[in-house]
Amino acid sequence: DAGITQSPRHKVTETGTPVTLRCHQTENHRYMYWYRQDPGHGLRLIHYSYGVKDTDKGEVSDGYSVSRSKTEDFLLTLESATSSQTSVYFCAISPGTALNQPQHFGDGTRLSIL
Amino acid sequence: QKEVEQNSGPLSVPEGAIASLNCTYSDRGSQSFFWYRQYSGKSPELIMFIYSNGDKEDGRFTAQLNKASQYVSLLIRDSQPSDSATYLCAVFHMNYGGATNKLIFGTGTLLAVQP
Repeated sequence: DAGITQSPRHKVTETGTPVTLRCHQTENHRYMYWYRQDPGHGLRLIHYSYGVKDTDKGEVSDGYSVSRSKTEDFLLTLESATSSQTSVYFCAISPGTALNQPQHFGDGTRLSIL
Repeated sequence: QKEVEQNSGPLSVPEGAIASLNCTYSDRGSQSFFWYRQYSGKSPELIMFIYSNGDKEDGRFTAQLNKASQYVSLLIRDSQPSDSATYLCAVFHMNYGGATNKLIFGTGTLLAVQP
């Protein structure tokens, strides 16, 4: 295992509520990523981080924000959850110092917005 | 046209046969290529990556890259029922113009190995 822990593993919440997902790594890797996976769309990048307090948007960033105050933690926040954000969310880390290095995934968070 | 395309399958092969999974990509500047295996309800697991044209072998797995034709494939020799999973192709492109450097995933091919 790549030393990645996602929490919570499952969450059900209501439309309009804020939700925060946590990704914790023990590998001290510089790069961390948040993806969502939906049927027919595959894995899509939401946000990524290349260091403490250094983040950038991915292709589906609308409605999401992230923060990274420590190397080991990368938080994904849905400010006001909508049903379209029901998905499986994966965190990934990269052991290399460049973006073109293999990414390793956490176990995922299954999020349902009712 | 999708940036990374895979046949969704299912691809059904008998136990012991060679499974051939294919992936095409649209961005000619793509630089590195990854194959992930994902069991139902689980997270993607990296099994192979390749950067240069040609073949790369690791155990029963061989990745093949042809940049001129913009395709990458994964061969699984002596397929086992435990190989039954969805295989995701991922393509990395570094954009030096300032846009997001990113790994683009295909939607995956479901492989079913029949005992």
